[in-house]
Amino acid sequence: NAGVTQTPKFRVLKTGQSMTLLCAQDMNHEYMYWYRQDPGMGLRLIHYSVGEGTTAKGEVPDGYNVSRLKKQNFLLGLESAAPSQTSVYFCASSYGSGGYTDTQYFGPGTRLTVL
Amino acid sequence: AQSVTQLGSHVSVSEGALVLLRCNYSSSVPPYLFWYVQYPNQGLQLLLKYTSAATLVKGINGFEAEFKKSETSFHLTKPSAHMSDAAEYFCAGDHGSGNTGKLIFGQGTTLQVKP
Repeated sequence: NAGVTQTPKFRVLKTGQSMTLLCAQDMNHEYMYWYRQDPGMGLRLIHYSVGEGTTAKGEVPDGYNVSRLKKQNFLLGLESAAPSQTSVYFCASSYGSGGYTDTQYFGPGTRLTVL
Repeated sequence: AQSVTQLGSHVSVSEGALVLLRCNYSSSVPPYLFWYVQYPNQGLQLLLKYTSAATLVKGINGFEAEFKKSETSFHLTKPSAHMSDAAEYFCAGDHGSGNTGKLIFGQGTTLQVKP
């Protein structure tokens, strides 16, 4: 099993450009999450999904959109990138049996720089 | 929703010394708590989790954590540090927002191990 994979690993954008980050998991997990990691701020939840076709806002959703058309994939889109979106983005997934105690499995991250 | 606070953004120990990383939570209900580790340029991986079964939780790589309700703490310890323990450590807790599996992360503590 590959676990959770993220594409791409690195990306440099200019302000105003758009892009999509792809997350894929092969563990048949119901729940998927997108986080951003910034120095001194831990991980902050951007959007999440509790099943195919469903998405919901997290703590810092502004400027991002997501889609979960297939159970194994969770896409994060930036429509018009801003320098404030320079960050490391992590995708995670969990089984989703009851939510509270599920372990989240993380991808390796995407390092995004917006100039 | 609860909050999670990690005391000390950087901790430095000598190889062979005790490791103590502090985490406090605020919650009006019994929490579910996690410690994750992030090695350089990698995603997060689970060290251990507390799910109310036992207050002393043992994890991987010799780490353990004790849940103390009276102190609202879930500190991470390891009796003897190894060079390979150098990493960033995150405490996280159940968001408390229902069956979503959402987590609240602390700010992270970087552990430095000196030879």
